[in-house]
This record gives sequence, structure tokens and C-alpha cells, in this order.
Amino acid sequence: GAVVSQHPSRVICKSGTSVKIECRSLDFQATTMFWYRQFPKQSLMLMATSNEGSKATYEQGVEKDKFLINHASLTLSTLTVTSAHPEDSSFYICSASVVGGAGNQPQHFGDGTRLSIL
Amino acid sequence: DQQVKQNSPSLSVQEGRISILNCDYTNSMFDYFLWYKKYPAEGPTFLISISSIKDKNEDGRFTVFLNKSAKHLSLHIVPSQPGDSAVYFCAARLRVFPLGGSGNTGKLIFGQGTTLQVKP
Repeated sequence: GAVVSQHPSRVICKSGTSVKIECRSLDFQATTMFWYRQFPKQSLMLMATSNEGSKATYEQGVEKDKFLINHASLTLSTLTVTSAHPEDSSFYICSASVVGGAGNQPQHFGDGTRLSIL
Repeated sequence: DQQVKQNSPSLSVQEGRISILNCDYTNSMFDYFLWYKKYPAEGPTFLISISSIKDKNEDGRFTVFLNKSAKHLSLHIVPSQPGDSAVYFCAARLRVFPLGGSGNTGKLIFGQGTTLQVKP
């Protein structure tokens, strides 16, 4: 099946640090990758939609200058949390969809990154 | 505004019995509904989906039912196994392209999740 790899799985760093999270589709090409954030005992909240070769589309309330997204190729998207603060501590998950298809391609998720800002 | 709701935060069933997880939605522009299973510290794993033009989809022990008039869907697991214990998320996909378009990768709206515990 489709495999999405997310790295790192856990980050602990000081306030003010920028953190980069990578999301790779290992065995398929993904024109679209999605970045989600999940707070404890809550749902996955979509932060942005990332399309290869173009600017990401951010959801309402998500600061694009705070959460930089780069989708450099059909297999790699990165999320950089700039100047992270304790309130940015969360579980970040990426997902990817297969290119083309018949119209129904489920998103395949990475294992997430637990970000803790001290 | 919660467009996708899972009103039961938890469910406990006995091994071998049926597990029924429910999900309600409000937006008529959803074209696909999906169920994902999630273990702690892992990403969600796709289980099963259903098109908005269908009312039932079955895959092994998993069956999803869709009632469009009630804007309600449910996931049935039978027989339930202890390994099914996890958090189950209902997700709905917003239609992005006109009907018949290919490569539709519209964004997903997730419910809050239901924690299923299957007791041996």
C-alpha cells in the first residue's frame, strides 16, 4: 500500500527555534500533500494544502509566515514552524494523495511529529 | 462550526460482537466519506470509504452505511476483535472539481474521533 514517511517523529526544542518537518511519499507520487495539527483529545485540523510547484493554500486562521510550507517535488513536502513558541506544541501530521486516479483516492498519512517547545 | 461530528467519544464492546460507530455531518457538498483508524503516536490509517451516491460499502468485517437524508453515516465492525481497539475518525471530503473530474483530492474534514475498546 501507499506509504508516507514523516520525520522527525519527535522534537523537543527551546522557544524561538525554527523546526522543519519532512513528509515523503515513498512508493507513489503525490501532487497534493496536506498538513494537519492535532491537539490532545481533539480532531485533526487541516492547516494547509500543499501542491507541488505552487504556493500552499492555508486554512483560515493559520499564519502562513509562521508555518512555511514547501512542496519541492512529487514526493516531498516540508513544514517549517518558524520561531516556535510553547503554544505551537502539538502533534503535526502530513498526508498525501496519489496523482490522478479515478476521482477517489484516500489520503495516506504519515505517523506524525510530536513537537514540544520548552 | 463543526461540520462533521462524532457524538460518542468512546465505545466499549465485547469481542465477537458488533461495533457501531456513528458520524453526522452538515455540509451537502461532501462527495466522499472515509473512516480512519488511529493508534496513539501514529498517523491515521485508511479503513474504508463511501461515495455520496452510494448507501453501503462493505470490505471484509467493515461496512459503512450512508443515510443522506439524515446526513448520517455509520461504521459497522463485525465481529469485533481486540486488535480493533483504537480511535476511529470519520472524515468527509469536500467536492473540489465538477462532477466527473479526475484526480479529485479535496480536503478532508474530520470528526472528533471515537475511542473503541474491544474487550476479550
